[in-house]
Amino acid sequence: GAGVSQSPSNKVTEKGKDVELRCDPISGHTALYWYRQSLGQGLEFLIYFQGNSAPDKSGLPSDRFSAERTGGSVSTLTIQRTQQEDSAVYLCASSWGLAGTSYEQYFGPGTRLTVT
Amino acid sequence: KNQVEQSPQSLIILEGKNCTLQCNYTVSPFSNLRWYKQDTGRGPVSLTIMTFSENTKSNGRYTATLDADTKQSSLHITASQLSDSASYICVVSADPSGGSYIPTFGRGTSLIVHP
Repeated sequence: GAGVSQSPSNKVTEKGKDVELRCDPISGHTALYWYRQSLGQGLEFLIYFQGNSAPDKSGLPSDRFSAERTGGSVSTLTIQRTQQEDSAVYLCASSWGLAGTSYEQYFGPGTRLTVT
Repeated sequence: KNQVEQSPQSLIILEGKNCTLQCNYTVSPFSNLRWYKQDTGRGPVSLTIMTFSENTKSNGRYTATLDADTKQSSLHITASQLSDSASYICVVSADPSGGSYIPTFGRGTSLIVHP
């Protein structure tokens, strides 16, 4: 079956512009995570969604970052007024359950964001 | 603070040779440890997952070990192939009873296999 997909694969934007990154999880997966991967750094947790529960936004670095998940499926990560330090690869992962359970997390290919 | 440390940061080996990557963690209470392989430009792909009671888990030429007492794990790659060139990431998740559903990632070991 289809895996996790993300779009766009690459995004170049000017400083100060808003961007939207999309994640299509595996059908039926209730958990969805967003991570950021900067060059030479480990994956940094941003936010997760689980079913109809309130998302855990504790990893969002500033109020310029927001995310939503519509209908328990597709998720969009929005970055407002982008800054150069936002340049990174943004990865999405979906699963049947949250981390800490034995369910596998399946990652998308990521969106490479470059802020000029 | 939950932390995952990996070593070495990078490794270069010849095709056909074996290698071992290390992972030390301080995540508590422990739930599981996963090893991922991340090819350049791709998302991570799971290799193994181990819980507290598991000492060894194999996936083809990949064998992971876990010592929950010393909080150490290793990933052993046997008879390396050019396609093994990638970043290998150790990820540790806490038991949800501890209140966190956020996994802790290591920075990864970059492996290059030369012909």
